[in-house]
Amino acid sequence: DAKTTQPTSMDCAEGRAANLPCNHSTISGNEYVYWYRQIHSQGPQYIIHGLKNNETNEMASLIITEDRKSSTLILPHATLRDTAVYYCIVRENYGQNFVFGPGTRLSVLP
Amino acid sequence: DVKVTQSSRYLVKRTGEKVFLECVQDMDHENMFWYRQDPGLGLRLIYFSYDVKMKEKGDIPEGYSVSREKKERFSLILESASTNQTSMYLCASSQLAGGTYEQYFGPGTRLTVT
Repeated sequence: DAKTTQPTSMDCAEGRAANLPCNHSTISGNEYVYWYRQIHSQGPQYIIHGLKNNETNEMASLIITEDRKSSTLILPHATLRDTAVYYCIVRENYGQNFVFGPGTRLSVLP
Repeated sequence: DVKVTQSSRYLVKRTGEKVFLECVQDMDHENMFWYRQDPGLGLRLIYFSYDVKMKEKGDIPEGYSVSREKKERFSLILESASTNQTSMYLCASSQLAGGTYEQYFGPGTRLTVT
């Protein structure tokens, strides 16, 4: 059963912020939200993860709603190289594997 | 930086051949994983290993076996390749570090079985 739902695809203008939503209404208290991305013909790349507080790193920001039922990944200044499939994954931090759904195909347009 | 390497980017094999896919990580990670990725199906876990000589079945282990003789190396074996095993194979490794659990992926091996 899918634990997350994401839009199939999104477009974003180069230089603008890309906001990628994810719904995880059945998330439990000990489950984290992880984001990965996969650029064409490469392996998935870790971006960021969080539990309930908002998180920021050099790649992106993660905003998690107070009820934790949804989150948004923000790429503050999208570039053409950010074109990829973005995966939102919910998982217990001590679980063994990640379950990747179909993700959101983000196209950054010039 | 963590580096996960896979022995081949592209591989073409015939039906019935025995196929070895090798994965090596250089960060002393305990955990290693093999996934396959197919259009419309996402990534599916085949096998994983949390220690040398230890292995656990994932969601789709049928037709595959694995070997972990050294900590840094995790091999996926297709005993008798079939056309339905044509896929992108991804290896990953991870270590529980400070409560986080990121997986780092290799570049993938695109296997075609004819």
